[in-house]
Amino acid sequence: ELKVEQNPLFLSMQEGKNYTIYCNYSTTSDRLYWYRQDPGKSLESLFVLLSNGAVKQEGRLMASLDTKARLSTLHITAAVHDLSATYFCAVALDIGTSYGKLTFGQGTILTVHP
Amino acid sequence: DAMVIQNPRYQVTQFGKPVTLSCSQTLNHNVMYWYQQKSSQAPKLLFHYYDKDFNNEADTPDNFQSRRPNTSFCFLDIRSPGLGDAAMYLCATSRTSRRGYEQYFGPGTRLTVT
Repeated sequence: ELKVEQNPLFLSMQEGKNYTIYCNYSTTSDRLYWYRQDPGKSLESLFVLLSNGAVKQEGRLMASLDTKARLSTLHITAAVHDLSATYFCAVALDIGTSYGKLTFGQGTILTVHP
Repeated sequence: DAMVIQNPRYQVTQFGKPVTLSCSQTLNHNVMYWYQQKSSQAPKLLFHYYDKDFNNEADTPDNFQSRRPNTSFCFLDIRSPGLGDAAMYLCATSRTSRRGYEQYFGPGTRLTVT
């Protein structure tokens, strides 16, 4: 059974600081996603990482993937209040009848304060 | 714009009273998924369709059923909602591609059981 674990689960950051969220998964995967979710809202896709060594950046967020270590990171640079949200990583399986079904990590609740 | 639409956005039902949630898509995707997300938890896959082929997750309660009458529409039926079924229900779609099955999420339906 595929397991996906994130840490930390709660992250309180000061504005302007840097931090990293980690996502470990237990079996070989086809793709890894990072999503953002605001309270009461649906999931917003941030990044899709397809291969070992993949790195993607958007604004203050940068995601990377190490398939050998089964580890992805989401790095936050110079945090601002607007980044406050819950962040999920999710691992996709395409084999057999999985058809890309996603297994999510527990989520990291990020709060950025002045 | 092509999109995933869920109706209603908010649904209140009584304990034990059957309820149906609706998902439609204009993306012409062949795969549709239903996820359940309880408060402060990660989304959890209930089932998914590849075209008309239905794939149920092993731990999805029998109380939950789904119908997909055509490519565009998919319904989630909860036969006898309990208080524990209160959650956000997310519909997603994807299609077969060289990049695998990237999922597009709808806005969700928030279900309250009284």
